[in-house]
Amino acid sequence: AQSVTQLGSHVSVSEGALVLLRCNYSSSVPPYLFWYVQYPNQGLQLLLKYTTGATLVKGINGFEAEFKKSETSFHLTKPSAHMSDAAEYFCAVSEVNRDDKIIFGKGTRLHILP
Amino acid sequence: KAGVTQTPRYLIKTRGQQVTLSCSPISGHRSVSWYQQTPGQGLQFLFEYFSETQRNKGNFPGRFSGRQFSNSRSEMNVSTLELGDSALYLCASSLPGTTNEKLFFGSGTQLSVL
Repeated sequence: AQSVTQLGSHVSVSEGALVLLRCNYSSSVPPYLFWYVQYPNQGLQLLLKYTTGATLVKGINGFEAEFKKSETSFHLTKPSAHMSDAAEYFCAVSEVNRDDKIIFGKGTRLHILP
Repeated sequence: KAGVTQTPRYLIKTRGQQVTLSCSPISGHRSVSWYQQTPGQGLQFLFEYFSETQRNKGNFPGRFSGRQFSNSRSEMNVSTLELGDSALYLCASSLPGTTNEKLFFGSGTQLSVL
């Protein structure tokens, strides 16, 4: 069964600094990988996803993530943090050609320091 | 196009009671998934419905049940409420054939059990 581990339930970065949120996954078949973001009092929205093809995936709001099969990782990065990036971020996985469900990690809350 | 609509937005119940939550998916979406979100546990998959049939189920007790109607609207029921059922319940819908690629989330129903 697939699973996701997000390292760090809280991450703080200064405005303008690099954002790095870590995600490792476990899957017995080729995975689909996702990052979702949740702003306060809202549902989740998709930031980016990897299905097939290029391993460096670009998403909305300047975020990107790289699929590294050898490391079973899908870390999320952004070169320069903005105050508006403060939110909770969820890494997720689903299994290609298996059942249709997406499994989420426990989330990382990103704090932006002025 | 209207997004995923969940009602009610907030709910307060007491232990032992039962509760029904409603979710209206985006028009044209036939798959509806339900997740329980709690601090520290992230999103845990409850179940997924497609064309009125439960297609996937997570590891929750039988007190948690759901159904889907012919218009794709879905309801989730929790019987004999426990304090630990206090959580944000999120519903997500997806286009046919893309459930494991992208989910569209509602804002959730915040359930408090006293």
